[in-house]
Amino acid sequence: GDSVTQMEGPVTLSEEAFLTINCTYTATGYPSLFWYVQYPGEGLQLLLKATKADDKGSNKGFEATYRKETTSFHLEKGSVQVSDSAVYFCALSDLDNQAGTALIFGKGTTLSVSS
Amino acid sequence: GAGVSQTPSNKVTEKGKYVELRCDPISGHTALYWYRQSLGQGPEFLIYFQGTGAADDSGLPNDRFFAVRPEGSVSTLKIQRTERGDSAVYLCASSLRGSATDTQYFGPGTRLTVL
Repeated sequence: GDSVTQMEGPVTLSEEAFLTINCTYTATGYPSLFWYVQYPGEGLQLLLKATKADDKGSNKGFEATYRKETTSFHLEKGSVQVSDSAVYFCALSDLDNQAGTALIFGKGTTLSVSS
Repeated sequence: GAGVSQTPSNKVTEKGKYVELRCDPISGHTALYWYRQSLGQGPEFLIYFQGTGAADDSGLPNDRFFAVRPEGSVSTLKIQRTERGDSAVYLCASSLRGSATDTQYFGPGTRLTVL
């Protein structure tokens, strides 16, 4: 079945550092790809998404490009802030998967940014 | 507008008891999903409703779990004869149409603890 693998954390950075969180996937069909973020004490919220190959999703300074050839959707940010400290989840939705449009999540990567 | 709401926010019960968890989706969203998130893991799919019907229940772990959405809005997840292994955060999400490209909006979750 479909799956998502993302780099394990925790990732610890200083403010203004460059961030990359790797995410790769396996899918039966042609999935849509998502990054969700969970800030401390809050619920999951969508950070960005891409629905076809070579699309770039972007939001709040974060970017990720849908790479079909490498089955990847790595999350990047050029200069992180303390307020970016959170758990980040890569996810996919694939109509051809057994669970239809349900999201399949990676295990999450904890990011901690210090000033 | 109002987001997805879930009640209760916390539920503590004893092994063997019956529990009900409620989800109120965003108004007008036809698709509703239940997920379960264990500590240190990403959310895992349980069941998906399109309108009043369960379009996919392949993620329900066993027949102690079932869910309803009788009027196509509010949904209730029901767990019979709870076990300690059922302890987790139960998340509800809704989306406008349930397509693979739709954004799913998550509620804050219900933390279930089975003693």
